[in-house]
Amino acid sequence: NAGVTQTPKFQVLKTGQSMTLQCAQDMNHNSMYWYRQDPGMGLRLIYYSASEGTTDKGEVPNGYNVSRLNKREFSLRLESAAPSQTSVYFCASSEVWGGEKLFFGSGTQLSVL
Amino acid sequence: EDQVTQSPEALRLQEGESSSLNCSYTVSGLRGLFWYRQDPGKGPEFLFTLYSAGEEKEKERLKATLTKKESFLHITAPKPEDSATYLCAVEIYGNKLVFGAGTILRVKS
Repeated sequence: NAGVTQTPKFQVLKTGQSMTLQCAQDMNHNSMYWYRQDPGMGLRLIYYSASEGTTDKGEVPNGYNVSRLNKREFSLRLESAAPSQTSVYFCASSEVWGGEKLFFGSGTQLSVL
Repeated sequence: EDQVTQSPEALRLQEGESSSLNCSYTVSGLRGLFWYRQDPGKGPEFLFTLYSAGEEKEKERLKATLTKKESFLHITAPKPEDSATYLCAVEIYGNKLVFGAGTILRVKS
């Protein structure tokens, strides 16, 4: 089983450029999430989709948009990248919303210059 | 404000030297507490769920416990392969999940 697959693994952007991070899960999970991880700050929730067809803001949604394309796929878009968005981004999924048994992808290292 | 604090930030142990990691929390309404392990360059991996004070969970050399204010992750006779960052997360009523910053554990042989 692949689990949660994120692409790309690494990306360098210039300030103002846009990009989309892709995420897919093959576990038939209902809930999907996008987190960012910064040194010393822990994981912070950007957006989540509790079930197919719904999306909600998390703790740090500004500058991001999401699309739950279908039950498997949940994408994160940066419309106009800023240096403050330099971070490691993780997609995760779970059978039901919450902190138990989250399955994470391997992450995307994003640098915005 | 809901807060989750992990200590120490980093811990170095000799192989076989038992110790504990701490996760203290100040939240409005605890629904559950979770421990994750994260290896360098990878996403976190789920370890344990704790729901109520006094609850304990074990897996190999790891044991997690929960009180009303904090959780401990006890590591008994650790091995080098236990080296990782250990994260705790607290789920709060109202669909909120807060992660701590983690403890980096290094076990030397």
